[in-house]
Amino acid sequence: DVKVTQSSRYLVKRTGEKVFLECVQDMDHENMFWYRQDPGLGLRLIYFSYDVKMKEKGDIPEGYSVSREKKERFSLILESASTNQTSMYLCASSSLTGELFFGEGSRLTVL
Amino acid sequence: KQEVTQIPAALSVPEGENLVLNCSFTDSAIYNLQWFRQDPGKGLTSLLLIQSSQREQTSGRLNASLDKSSGRSTLYIAASQPGDSATYLCAALSGAGSYQLTFGKGTKLSVIP
Repeated sequence: DVKVTQSSRYLVKRTGEKVFLECVQDMDHENMFWYRQDPGLGLRLIYFSYDVKMKEKGDIPEGYSVSREKKERFSLILESASTNQTSMYLCASSSLTGELFFGEGSRLTVL
Repeated sequence: KQEVTQIPAALSVPEGENLVLNCSFTDSAIYNLQWFRQDPGKGLTSLLLIQSSQREQTSGRLNASLDKSSGRSTLYIAASQPGDSATYLCAALSGAGSYQLTFGKGTKLSVIP
């Protein structure tokens, strides 16, 4: 079965802390994505990666960075967390057909 | 720029009813269209993927259709059950090799026992 695993389901951090959200997929997919989901705003793309060490900005990259050192792992980094980054973060990977598979999500609260 | 709309935002039906969820998109030059289900506080689960060359896909009680010329896709759920209660989202992928996936905001479905 297809599996995308996000390391943390729930996190609570303080303003200014550095936050790492990790995502691992076991499907050998080239493409991986990070979205955030907020009520009324829907899903918004933060960053995506189409190969190891490659990354592209999505629609809302400000305040975020990413790392893809291995094909199966895509990390989202909040260098200095702020309250407006409180959100649900969703990682996904896509197959050659373009089908997208999501992880369970990471609910981040920044106090 | 592609825009994807799902109307209504919420829908409530009695158990056993057949229902249709709607998804419309403004740019017909799509590569595929995908339907997802999302339970509260969870990630999205892929339900059906329709490639641009296809007209429909079926999985169990679900059937999704695609009409590119009219910019519409529908998700048909037969004999609805309380376990079908969730938010259903559609997403259109614009162009082969593109990473521009545009999501609708979803239809929240409640199936009443």
